[in-house]
Parts: sequence; structure tokens; C-alpha cells
Amino acid sequence: EVQVVESGGGLVQPGGSLRLSCTASGFTFSDHYMDWVRQAPGKGLEWVGRTRDKPNSYTTEYAASVKGRFTISRDDSKNSLYLQMNSLKTEDTALYYCTRVTRGGNYYAFDIWGQGTMVTVSS
Amino acid sequence: AIRMTQSPSSLSASTGDRVTITCRASQGISSSLAWYQQKPGKAPKLLIYAASTLQSGVPSRFSGSGSGTDFTLTISCLQSEDFATYYCQQYYSYPVTFGQGTRLEIK
Repeated sequence: EVQVVESGGGLVQPGGSLRLSCTASGFTFSDHYMDWVRQAPGKGLEWVGRTRDKPNSYTTEYAASVKGRFTISRDDSKNSLYLQMNSLKTEDTALYYCTRVTRGGNYYAFDIWGQGTMVTVSS
Repeated sequence: AIRMTQSPSSLSASTGDRVTITCRASQGISSSLAWYQQKPGKAPKLLIYAASTLQSGVPSRFSGSGSGTDFTLTISCLQSEDFATYYCQQYYSYPVTFGQGTRLEIK
């Protein structure tokens, strides 16, 4: 079964750090760009960032709201994606989804989503 | 950042109805648009990409159209399982951005 499973969420104080993980199975992880998308309680979807694949030098992109605080990385040998979150703010409280990017000549889309891991930033 | 605006924000309809949701981009995005369906407590599900290409396994009652700045998602004959929230998303340029969502409710 093709799936991704997130872990590592929890309660953290403002200014703190947290590292989320996402483990993939059922597909060749190293072939895909991988993204993080978040959803604050009762709100819409917000893209967090992307890591490209090895042929594209594992380069990353970030939303302005997290740039400089969050770092996306991957370990293809472990079929794993990571999100290191530093200097957390209350507005980072959200359900964080790991997503697989499917892409073709001129399209990208998130075709596989995990169940999400909840991050709560509160004192 | 490209702003994606969906209309309506909510919609009431009955099973068997034909419904259309609109998504407008703040600047041209060619056909770089996807649609997702999200049910309460569940992860989003990809319905359509490249504005009009149906994702594998998605029922043919879903269709998408448009290019440039104006896009539509149409559900031709609503089924009970279609009541959910729908999001458009552009991937033309970074940052990737989503519309605010359209909540489709049972009338």
C-alpha cells in the first residue's frame, strides 16, 4: 500500500523546537519531491515547503511564514522526510501533513497525504 | 504570492444536483491548478490536476476546466459522499497557494 505516516507532533512552548518525521512506504521515495502542508484548527490548507529529489540536488522551497525558522530535509535511505521547526509561534499550531508530489511535464500535485500530526504551540 | 479566491465559500445542494465551484487566481497561472476534496477529520484527496485532468480513481462526475485566471470544478450529479470541502491550489509559482475552500453542504 502506498502511504506516508507522520509522527513527532505534540505540545511545545512558544520559542521552542520540534522535529516532525514522515515515513513513506509502497513507492520509490527517492523518485519524488515531498512537501509539508499544514492546517490550523478549523482553517484551510497552507503550504509549508518542499524538498526536491537527488537529481535536483535536494533543493528546498519554503513559505514566507516559516522561512528561516523551519528546515525540510530527507533521508532517502530511510524513506523519510523531516520538518525541523524552530522558534515556534502560536500561529504555527496546526495539523501538519506530509504529502507526495506527483509531477509530469508541466504539473505538480499532491497525490498521497498522510493522516497528519498535530503541533500545538502554547504556554 | 498568487492569491487564489474561491466562490462561493459555502454552498447548499441536494443529491442529484449539478454544482460548480469557481476559483480565480490573482494573476495568470496557465493550467497549473489542482482541486482537492477534504472530508471532516480526513486528509485532502486529489481530484484534478493540470486544471482538467482527472486523477486516477476519481469518478467521472467530477470535471475541471479553465486556464489563465479563471477555473471551475463541476460535479455533474451530486452523490451523498460528495458533501465535503473543496480546495483549489496553484503550482505555477512559489509559494504554492490554496484557495480558502468551498464547503458543500446538504440542503
